[in-house]
Amino acid sequence: DIQMTQSPSSLSASVGDRVTITCRASQGISNYLAWYQQKPGKVPKLLIYAASTLQSGVPSRFSGSGSGTDFTLTISSLQPEDVATYYCQKYNSAPQDFTFGPGTKVDIK
Amino acid sequence: QVQLQESGPGLVKPSETLSLTCTVSGGSISSYYWSWIRQPAGKGLEWIGRIYTSGSTNYNPSLKSRVTMSVDTSKNQFSLKLSSVTAADTAVYYCARDNGWLAHAFDIWGQGTMVTVSS
Repeated sequence: DIQMTQSPSSLSASVGDRVTITCRASQGISNYLAWYQQKPGKVPKLLIYAASTLQSGVPSRFSGSGSGTDFTLTISSLQPEDVATYYCQKYNSAPQDFTFGPGTKVDIK
Repeated sequence: QVQLQESGPGLVKPSETLSLTCTVSGGSISSYYWSWIRQPAGKGLEWIGRIYTSGSTNYNPSLKSRVTMSVDTSKNQFSLKLSSVTAADTAVYYCARDNGWLAHAFDIWGQGTMVTVSS
């Protein structure tokens, strides 16, 4: 069973800062890795799929990278509207299932 | 554009069966996988399972013994049944589209429905 971890669990940064969130899988998952943003009281929103492809309509300050077991979500210049919890999610093709990371809460300092 | 809407009872008694339906509007239910995901208050996201329009299913191993999913393509709906519920099943339940063209990311979500398990 592939486990997903995220670090840090929370962070506080200033507006304009570069923010990086890491997602690690217990074994290789190819590029079946997505990132979601969930603002308080709202529905999760897809930001990145296939590890590094920006979903349509998502601001270009968001980017994803990585492969194998280590993946990162980067916000190049943190904005007030980016306050949210961010989740990574992996898809496993055999057996076919999904796992979400525990989440990273991002606040403004 | 495609929209999803969950419906079902907001209160379920312990040991009973939770039943939810997701209606797909603005597009066809065909040729996609459709998932259920839940989130207890203040906690993270948990994938429950998915169903293809053919009726093929995959379930979270931790819930598999209690989960049944079905699809009604004529109504553009899919459903979740979770049996023998306890307070630990209290959560917001989301339906979502699993898009194979996007490396199996969930690109469309319903608004979510709160289900409380209590007597």
